[in-house]
Amino acid sequence: GAVVSQHPSRVICKSGTSVKIECRSLDFQATTMFWYRQFPKQSLMLMATSNEGSKATYEQGVEKDKFLINHASLTLSTLTVTSAHPEDSSFYICSATYGGNEQFFGPGTRLTVL
Amino acid sequence: GQQVMQIPQYQHVQEGEDFTTYCNSSTTLSNIQWYKQRPGGHPVFLIQLVKSGEVKKQKRLTFQFGEAKKNSSLHITATQTTDVGTYFCAGPGAGGTSYGKLTFGQGTILTVHP
Repeated sequence: GAVVSQHPSRVICKSGTSVKIECRSLDFQATTMFWYRQFPKQSLMLMATSNEGSKATYEQGVEKDKFLINHASLTLSTLTVTSAHPEDSSFYICSATYGGNEQFFGPGTRLTVL
Repeated sequence: GQQVMQIPQYQHVQEGEDFTTYCNSSTTLSNIQWYKQRPGGHPVFLIQLVKSGEVKKQKRLTFQFGEAKKNSSLHITATQTTDVGTYFCAGPGAGGTSYGKLTFGQGTILTVHP
């Protein structure tokens, strides 16, 4: 149980385009979903907290207009990287929780912006 | 804000040797979690510690929570090549546990040489 999927797993795009990443909880309803960014051999940096039906809460320094988060249902959250640039290239991971402290992570999306 | 410091950043061991990673917080933690991330993979929950001085074991892994609830450790006895990965500790993030946010330590990258 407690499986989280992410799509796509890998995406390469041109600079200036927008990329949408989906995060789904497959076998549970997620009260909260989180979006992280991870650089190689570094820790997970929380970008935003997403609750179904409400606006996402962004961490300090994260541009909300750049990283659009939509939490349409209790099983789906999307992150859209708008007007992507090479410095946005990273590993983006979502996680979901259903009330406990434990977070269940998706497999991640590797974004490469050319 | 709350910081969770983790050391060492890297640890190389020979198979069969023991391994320990340490986590320290600037503030008292209500709980601490440990995650493992295999190379190329996503973080997977290992355990949560809640009580002061708590010690929990999972086969060759021993987790400890300090008496002051400001530090924690993960010890692996007789490492195996399957133990390779990055081990993260994580404490509740700003906003309290009710939001489910986590603050991750920097992680310890464990390499096991056969």
